[in-house]
Amino acid sequence: DADVTQTPRNRITKTGKRIMLECSQTKGHDRMYWYRQDPGLGLRLIYYSFDVKDINKGEISDGYSVSRQAQAKFSLSLESAIPNQTALYFCATRKVAEVNTGELFFGEGSRLTVL
Amino acid sequence: LAKTTQPISMDSYEGQEVNITCSHNNIATNDYITWYQQFPSQGPRFIIQGYKTKVTNEVASLFIPADRKSSTLSLPRVSLSDTAVYYCLVGVLNTGGFKTIFGAGTRLFVKA
Repeated sequence: DADVTQTPRNRITKTGKRIMLECSQTKGHDRMYWYRQDPGLGLRLIYYSFDVKDINKGEISDGYSVSRQAQAKFSLSLESAIPNQTALYFCATRKVAEVNTGELFFGEGSRLTVL
Repeated sequence: LAKTTQPISMDSYEGQEVNITCSHNNIATNDYITWYQQFPSQGPRFIIQGYKTKVTNEVASLFIPADRKSSTLSLPRVSLSDTAVYYCLVGVLNTGGFKTIFGAGTRLFVKA
């Protein structure tokens, strides 16, 4: 089983609909991240969280919200989806350790299409 | 966060050594250099990380000159399965607020 699990893996929705992408992890990591990937643009950081109830904006937070109610779960919401939010979304985790490599562990991605 | 510049794409043949260079002229004293690999429709995967000089692991080597304004990821004897996008990241790793920003990366295509 994957250590970082994203659901759904694929979703097609219509403009104006509310969408939630879920991320859960079994790694026991403190920090969780949501990224968006568009073709040719690499990954852009949407939101990140260092602990339960801690929320921080990334590069492109407009149009998105997140919730971190438990250490293992970090959800991303699109309150009113629009077509330019069509992208591949990745959740990632990282452990804060004494010797901190900064290594991120990614989920398998959630492909969202907004029509 | 330090800006990084990498080639957009590179081609190679199986069995060759591949070197991908990343420029980071405004790297800060506390910044580390990290490389990730991403296959299509998968999340990026950590390859290697370093601060200065040379770091080697079972997958790759990372060369960092004394001025740290660039770094080179070296992949020995690549195979077809090394075809992927490679990202160079520069940032601070302490608990103060490490944020990972990925650029567009370098698309490596390995041919038979």
